[in-house]
Amino acid sequence: KQEVTQIPAALSVPEGENLVLNCSFTDSAIYNLQWFRQDPGKGLTSLLLIQSSQREQTSGRLNASLDKSSGRSTLYIAASQPGDSATYLCAPKLTENTGFQKLVFGTGTRLLVSP
Amino acid sequence: KAGVTQTPRYLIKTRGQQVTLSCSPISGHRSVSWYQQTPGQGLQFLFEYFSETQRNKGNFPGRFSGRQFSNSRSEMNVSTLELGDSALYLCASSSIAGTYNEQFFGPGTRLTVL
Repeated sequence: KQEVTQIPAALSVPEGENLVLNCSFTDSAIYNLQWFRQDPGKGLTSLLLIQSSQREQTSGRLNASLDKSSGRSTLYIAASQPGDSATYLCAPKLTENTGFQKLVFGTGTRLLVSP
Repeated sequence: KAGVTQTPRYLIKTRGQQVTLSCSPISGHRSVSWYQQTPGQGLQFLFEYFSETQRNKGNFPGRFSGRQFSNSRSEMNVSTLELGDSALYLCASSSIAGTYNEQFFGPGTRLTVL
C-alpha cells in the first residue's frame, strides 16, 4: 500500500522563522509531487508542483525539493508570517495496480505562526 | 480565469437519502477528480473522469458514483447515505488526464449526514 508520511504533524513557531516540512513516501516511482495548503474548512491551494525529473521548485518564499531515490520531499518556508498558518499537504502522484495514476495525500503538517 | 467551482457548498441530509454534488472545472480543463476528506481517513481518492469516461476509481462502495458531461462539468452521487459519509468532498481539475499535470482544487462541499 502506498503511504505518505508528513513530519512534524504540528508546528508552532514565532513570526520570522525559517522552517522545513518533511514528506516521505514508500513508492519511489512517482510522476510528480504537489504541495498544497489548506485553511480550516476550505479547499486545497496548490503551492508548488515538482516533476519527477526536477530536484526543486521555488515560488516566492517557498522552496520544495524532491529526492525520488530516498522517497523524500521537503517544503522550506522562509521568513514565516502569520498568514502562513494553515495545514500543509504533500501529494505525490503514484501509479496504481490499474496502471492509472492518482494523487496520494499525506496526513499533513498543521502550522501555526504567531505574531 | 475562474477557478474550480463546487455546488452546493453545504448540505445536510439524513441517513438513507441520496445526494448529488456538482463540480465545474477551470475553463479548458477536461480532467475532473473527486476526493473525500474526513478527520479519520484524511484525503482519499474517489474517481477521475476525462472526456466523459471514468478513468480511475478509488476503493469506495458502489453507492458512490459519478459522471462527466460534454462540457467537462462533473457530478458525484451518493445513494443510501450513511453517517460515515459525512465529509468534505473536494473536486479537482487538470488540463488533461496524465502524469505530469497540476491539479487545482475547488472549495469543497461539506456534507453532513444526520
